[in-house]
Amino acid sequence: QKEVEQDPGPLSVPEGAIVSLNCTYSNSAFQYFMWYRQYSRKGPELLMYTYSSGNKEDGRFTAQVDKSSKYISLFIRDSQPSDSATYLCAMRVTGGGNKLTFGTGTQLKVEL
Amino acid sequence: GAGVSQSPSNKVTEKGKDVELRCDPISGHTALYWYRQSLGQGLEFLIYFQGNSAPDKSGLPSDRFSAERTGGSVSTLTIQRTQQEDSAVYLCASSFYDTGNTIYFGEGSWLTVV
Repeated sequence: QKEVEQDPGPLSVPEGAIVSLNCTYSNSAFQYFMWYRQYSRKGPELLMYTYSSGNKEDGRFTAQVDKSSKYISLFIRDSQPSDSATYLCAMRVTGGGNKLTFGTGTQLKVEL
Repeated sequence: GAGVSQSPSNKVTEKGKDVELRCDPISGHTALYWYRQSLGQGLEFLIYFQGNSAPDKSGLPSDRFSAERTGGSVSTLTIQRTQQEDSAVYLCASSFYDTGNTIYFGEGSWLTVV
Protein backbone atom coordinates (compact mmCIF):
# COMPACT_ATOMS: atom_id res chain seq x y z
CA GLN A 1 0.00 0.00 0.00
CA LYS A 2 1.28 3.44 -0.91
CA GLU A 3 1.85 6.04 1.80
CA VAL A 4 -0.32 8.54 -0.12
CA GLU A 5 -3.39 7.50 -2.08
CA GLN A 6 -5.10 9.66 -4.67
CA ASP A 7 -7.87 8.81 -7.12
CA PRO A 8 -6.39 9.16 -10.62
CA GLY A 9 -9.68 10.23 -12.21
CA PRO A 10 -10.25 11.52 -14.77
CA LEU A 11 -12.71 13.91 -13.19
CA SER A 12 -14.84 15.91 -15.62
CA VAL A 13 -16.92 18.88 -14.46
CA PRO A 14 -18.78 21.74 -16.16
CA GLU A 15 -17.37 25.25 -16.05
CA GLY A 16 -18.34 27.03 -12.85
CA ALA A 17 -18.64 23.88 -10.76
CA ILE A 18 -17.02 23.40 -7.38
CA VAL A 19 -14.32 20.76 -7.60
CA SER A 20 -13.23 18.58 -4.70
CA LEU A 21 -9.91 16.73 -4.91
CA ASN A 22 -8.75 14.44 -2.13
CA CYS A 23 -5.86 12.41 -0.79
CA THR A 24 -5.54 9.95 2.06
CA TYR A 25 -2.31 9.00 3.74
CA SER A 26 -1.05 6.46 6.23
CA ASN A 27 1.98 8.13 7.85
CA SER A 28 0.81 10.08 10.90
CA ALA A 29 4.17 11.90 10.99
CA PHE A 30 3.30 13.99 7.95
CA GLN A 31 2.96 17.61 9.05
CA TYR A 32 3.22 19.67 5.85
CA PHE A 33 0.72 19.23 3.05
CA MET A 34 0.94 20.67 -0.45
CA TRP A 35 -1.08 20.78 -3.62
CA TYR A 36 0.59 21.02 -7.00
CA ARG A 37 -0.93 21.60 -10.42
CA GLN A 38 0.72 20.00 -13.44
CA TYR A 39 -0.18 20.83 -17.01
CA SER A 40 0.62 18.34 -19.73
CA ARG A 41 4.38 18.05 -20.36
CA LYS A 42 5.14 20.71 -17.75
CA GLY A 43 6.67 20.58 -14.30
CA PRO A 44 4.46 20.68 -11.19
CA GLU A 45 3.54 24.14 -9.93
CA LEU A 46 2.90 24.72 -6.23
CA LEU A 47 -0.64 25.94 -5.52
CA MET A 48 -0.82 25.88 -1.73
CA TYR A 49 0.68 24.38 1.36
CA THR A 50 -0.67 24.00 4.86
CA TYR A 51 0.88 23.01 8.14
CA SER A 52 -0.88 20.46 10.35
CA SER A 53 -4.68 20.56 10.48
CA GLY A 54 -7.00 23.31 9.36
CA ASN A 55 -8.07 25.27 6.33
CA LYS A 56 -6.25 27.68 4.07
CA GLU A 57 -7.80 29.81 1.36
CA ASP A 58 -6.16 31.48 -1.62
CA GLY A 59 -8.48 33.00 -4.18
CA ARG A 60 -10.63 30.26 -5.69
CA PHE A 61 -8.63 27.53 -3.94
CA THR A 62 -9.17 26.15 -0.44
CA ALA A 63 -7.02 23.48 1.15
CA GLN A 64 -8.25 21.42 4.10
CA VAL A 65 -6.33 19.03 6.31
CA ASP A 66 -7.94 16.59 8.71
CA LYS A 67 -5.08 14.84 10.49
CA SER A 68 -7.41 12.74 12.65
CA SER A 69 -8.76 11.11 9.49
CA LYS A 70 -5.47 11.35 7.55
CA TYR A 71 -7.38 13.08 4.79
CA ILE A 72 -6.65 16.24 2.82
CA SER A 73 -8.74 18.10 0.28
CA LEU A 74 -8.41 20.82 -2.30
CA PHE A 75 -11.53 22.72 -3.34
CA ILE A 76 -11.68 24.81 -6.49
CA ARG A 77 -14.57 27.26 -6.73
CA ASP A 78 -15.94 28.62 -10.00
CA SER A 79 -13.82 26.19 -11.98
CA GLN A 80 -12.50 27.35 -15.34
CA PRO A 81 -11.29 25.45 -18.42
CA SER A 82 -7.81 26.74 -17.58
CA ASP A 83 -7.99 24.66 -14.37
CA SER A 84 -7.87 21.51 -16.50
CA ALA A 85 -4.69 19.77 -15.36
CA THR A 86 -3.42 17.03 -13.10
CA TYR A 87 -3.49 17.88 -9.40
CA LEU A 88 -0.91 16.27 -7.16
CA CYS A 89 -0.96 16.19 -3.41
CA ALA A 90 2.35 16.00 -1.57
CA MET A 91 3.37 15.86 2.05
CA ARG A 92 6.41 15.67 4.27
CA VAL A 93 7.43 15.18 7.85
CA THR A 94 9.10 17.83 9.97
CA GLY A 95 12.86 17.61 9.63
CA GLY A 96 12.52 15.08 6.85
CA GLY A 97 15.12 16.79 4.74
CA ASN A 98 12.44 18.44 2.64
CA LYS A 99 11.73 15.11 0.97
CA LEU A 100 8.18 15.11 -0.39
CA THR A 101 5.94 12.08 -0.79
CA PHE A 102 3.49 12.53 -3.65
CA GLY A 103 0.16 11.08 -4.61
CA THR A 104 -0.22 9.81 -8.15
CA GLY A 105 -2.33 12.81 -9.17
CA THR A 106 -5.94 13.38 -10.21
CA GLN A 107 -6.62 14.43 -13.79
CA LEU A 108 -9.24 17.20 -13.94
CA LYS A 109 -11.08 18.41 -17.01
CA VAL A 110 -13.30 21.47 -16.83
CA GLU A 111 -15.61 21.60 -19.80
CA LEU A 112 -17.31 24.61 -21.37
CA GLY B 1 14.07 35.76 -13.45
CA ALA B 2 14.78 32.36 -14.86
CA GLY B 3 13.22 29.29 -13.35
CA VAL B 4 14.76 25.86 -12.95
CA SER B 5 16.33 24.90 -16.24
CA GLN B 6 16.78 21.28 -17.33
CA SER B 7 18.49 19.74 -20.33
CA PRO B 8 17.99 17.87 -22.51
CA SER B 9 14.22 18.23 -22.58
CA ASN B 10 13.95 14.95 -24.48
CA LYS B 11 16.39 12.07 -24.75
CA VAL B 12 16.06 8.74 -26.53
CA THR B 13 18.81 6.29 -25.77
CA GLU B 14 19.57 2.67 -26.42
CA LYS B 15 19.43 0.16 -23.62
CA GLY B 16 22.81 -0.19 -21.99
CA LYS B 17 24.02 3.32 -22.78
CA ASP B 18 24.81 5.94 -20.14
CA VAL B 19 22.90 9.22 -19.96
CA GLU B 20 23.50 12.52 -18.22
CA LEU B 21 20.74 14.93 -17.29
CA ARG B 22 21.52 18.47 -16.26
CA CYS B 23 19.77 20.85 -13.89
CA ASP B 24 20.43 24.56 -13.38
CA PRO B 25 18.53 25.71 -10.26
CA ILE B 26 17.09 29.13 -9.54
CA SER B 27 19.87 31.53 -8.61
CA GLY B 28 20.38 31.71 -4.86
CA HIS B 29 18.52 28.50 -4.06
CA THR B 30 20.64 26.32 -1.81
CA ALA B 31 18.54 23.17 -1.97
CA LEU B 32 18.25 21.02 -5.09
CA TYR B 33 16.12 17.91 -5.62
CA TRP B 34 15.73 15.22 -8.25
CA TYR B 35 12.45 13.36 -8.67
CA ARG B 36 11.32 10.78 -11.20
CA GLN B 37 7.80 10.57 -12.63
CA SER B 38 6.82 7.40 -14.44
CA LEU B 39 3.61 6.97 -16.44
CA GLY B 40 0.67 6.72 -14.06
CA GLN B 41 2.90 7.14 -11.04
CA GLY B 42 3.41 10.00 -8.66
CA LEU B 43 6.70 11.76 -8.30
CA GLU B 44 9.34 9.55 -6.71
CA PHE B 45 12.10 11.20 -4.69
CA LEU B 46 15.61 10.38 -5.87
CA ILE B 47 18.17 12.66 -4.20
CA TYR B 48 18.44 15.96 -2.29
CA PHE B 49 21.37 18.38 -2.03
CA GLN B 50 21.57 21.12 0.58
CA GLY B 51 24.55 23.46 0.57
CA ASN B 52 27.76 21.71 1.51
CA SER B 53 26.04 18.93 3.46
CA ALA B 54 26.24 15.33 2.35
CA PRO B 55 23.38 14.65 -0.09
CA ASP B 56 20.40 12.52 0.86
CA LYS B 57 20.67 9.67 -1.64
CA SER B 58 18.04 7.49 -0.03
CA GLY B 59 15.75 7.54 -3.07
CA LEU B 60 18.21 6.39 -5.72
CA PRO B 61 16.78 3.09 -7.01
CA SER B 62 20.09 1.36 -7.78
CA ASP B 63 23.82 1.95 -7.98
CA ARG B 64 23.40 2.72 -11.67
CA PHE B 65 22.06 6.10 -10.59
CA SER B 66 24.31 8.85 -9.30
CA ALA B 67 24.20 12.62 -9.03
CA GLU B 68 26.56 15.41 -8.25
CA ARG B 69 26.27 19.10 -7.67
CA THR B 70 29.21 21.29 -8.51
CA GLY B 71 29.89 24.61 -6.83
CA GLY B 72 26.57 24.53 -5.03
CA SER B 73 24.73 25.22 -8.26
CA VAL B 74 24.41 23.03 -11.36
CA SER B 75 23.61 19.35 -10.84
CA THR B 76 24.02 16.33 -13.10
CA LEU B 77 22.06 13.10 -12.74
CA THR B 78 23.81 10.16 -14.39
CA ILE B 79 22.19 6.85 -15.23
CA GLN B 80 24.60 4.11 -16.24
CA ARG B 81 23.73 1.09 -18.36
CA THR B 82 20.19 2.32 -18.90
CA GLN B 83 17.29 -0.13 -18.77
CA GLN B 84 13.82 0.20 -20.27
CA GLU B 85 12.32 0.66 -16.81
CA ASP B 86 14.39 3.85 -16.50
CA SER B 87 12.09 5.50 -19.05
CA ALA B 88 10.43 8.36 -17.20
CA VAL B 89 10.41 12.10 -16.72
CA TYR B 90 13.25 13.25 -14.52
CA LEU B 91 12.29 16.43 -12.68
CA CYS B 92 14.68 18.76 -10.94
CA ALA B 93 13.56 21.27 -8.33
CA SER B 94 15.14 23.88 -6.10
CA SER B 95 14.29 25.93 -3.04
CA PHE B 96 15.78 28.10 -0.35
CA TYR B 97 16.96 25.97 2.55
CA ASP B 98 14.42 26.98 5.11
CA THR B 99 11.41 27.03 2.80
CA GLY B 100 11.30 23.40 1.84
CA ASN B 101 7.59 23.79 1.35
CA THR B 102 8.07 26.17 -1.58
CA ILE B 103 9.84 24.02 -4.10
CA TYR B 104 10.05 25.10 -7.74
CA PHE B 105 10.20 22.44 -10.43
CA GLY B 106 11.73 22.52 -13.87
CA GLU B 107 9.88 21.14 -16.87
CA GLY B 108 11.72 17.85 -16.77
CA SER B 109 13.89 15.70 -18.96
CA TRP B 110 11.83 13.08 -20.81
CA LEU B 111 13.94 9.93 -21.07
CA THR B 112 13.02 7.03 -23.33
CA VAL B 113 15.15 3.89 -23.32
CA VAL B 114 14.65 1.71 -26.40
